[in-house]
Amino acid sequence: AQSVTQLGSHVSVSEGALVLLRCNYSSSVPPYLFWYVQYPNQGLQLLLKYTSAATLVKGINGFEAEFKKSETSFHLTKPSAHMSDAAEYFCAVSDLSGNTGKLIFGQGTTLQVKP
Amino acid sequence: DAGVIQSPRHEVTEMGQEVTLRCKPISGHDYLFWYRQTMMRGLELLIYFNNNVPIDDSGMPEDRFSAKMPNASFSTLKIQPSEPRDSAVYFCASSFSGGVYEQYFGPGTRLTVT
Repeated sequence: AQSVTQLGSHVSVSEGALVLLRCNYSSSVPPYLFWYVQYPNQGLQLLLKYTSAATLVKGINGFEAEFKKSETSFHLTKPSAHMSDAAEYFCAVSDLSGNTGKLIFGQGTTLQVKP
Repeated sequence: DAGVIQSPRHEVTEMGQEVTLRCKPISGHDYLFWYRQTMMRGLELLIYFNNNVPIDDSGMPEDRFSAKMPNASFSTLKIQPSEPRDSAVYFCASSFSGGVYEQYFGPGTRLTVT
């Protein structure tokens, strides 16, 4: 069965610093992986997705994530944090082994950006 | 496309009242999901549909909760009777089986039961 673990429920960075949000997955089949962002009082918005085409995936707002099969990781990065990046971030994996159409979400990481 | 549409955006009701939340998925999507989000429990999948048929309702907390999808463009989540512990943000999401199953979320309904 697929699962997702996000390391660190809260991450705090200074404005202009590197953002690194960690996600590890477990999957018995080649996975589809996703990062979502949730701004306060809004729904989840798709940030980027990995579908096996390229291991480095670029998303919106300058974010990118690298799929590393050997490490079963899909960490999200951004070179320089902006105040507007403060939000909750969710990593997710498609439930392909069960062929259910569901996404399995991690518990989320809250990103705080300090001025 | 307008995206996933949910109504109402906010609902305040008294304990014991019936609450109906509504969702219009993205046109052409054949999966529809209902989630609940709280600080304590995070994001929980309540039920999901494929081609208007409920596939898995194991996340529905109690018999007080029910969901329907009478056609491809409309779904409801009903709570009867409502209780204060049902206070949460309820999200609807939809996806297309011909893609990679990425889900698109609505803005949510914030439910407060007093």
